Amino acid sequence: EPEVTQTPSHQVTQMGQEVILRCVPISNHLYFYWYRQILGQKVEFLVSFYNNEISEKSEIFDDQFSVERPDGSNFTLKIRSTKLEDSAMYFCASKQGSGNTIYFGEGSWLTVV
Amino acid sequence: SQQGEEDPQALSIQEGENATMNCSYKTSINNLQWYRQNSGRGLVHLILIRSNEREKHSGRLRVTLDTSKKSSSLLITASRAADTASYFCATDDSGYSTLTFGKGTMLLVSP
Repeated sequence: EPEVTQTPSHQVTQMGQEVILRCVPISNHLYFYWYRQILGQKVEFLVSFYNNEISEKSEIFDDQFSVERPDGSNFTLKIRSTKLEDSAMYFCASKQGSGNTIYFGEGSWLTVV
Repeated sequence: SQQGEEDPQALSIQEGENATMNCSYKTSINNLQWYRQNSGRGLVHLILIRSNEREKHSGRLRVTLDTSKKSSSLLITASRAADTASYFCATDDSGYSTLTFGKGTMLLVSP
């Protein structure tokens, strides 16, 4: 079964450093997402991406965050200057079309020290 | 924004028993999805139920949706130890499917 793949599975970074989390969505999907889950808390929406542009973003997704689809397969989340509170599991997700199931990757654990 | 909120927060049962989890939300939705998460792992999609559907089955899973009460339930029949996980409902109320997750129900199935 096709799946969303994410790399790295775990990254430790120092506060203030830039981090790029990578995702390969399912190949025929058109909608892409990033969510995050701080340890012990809810899964929170960050951003959705469709037709090569951001379609929605949450309050969490401030100027420190950016997303990019540099080629036909990858979808990246960049955090420019990480803060301690950015420590979380970041999930990439994708879906084929409107109203369809959203499929999540296994996540990337980000630890900011 | 509206939220899916599950109850109970935690549920402990024996293998073979049924487990029922409930989800409530606040505004109209396009669909509602249930996910499972094993500790520290990704979100596994279980089932999607659309706003015009009332019940859906998938293997040992049965999901109901009552849009008049803004609630859904997930029933796992004949539970197994491998069903131990957190279960989340997520509501889709936007055209781009920005899912809003609840806090989840932690299910523990003891052998």
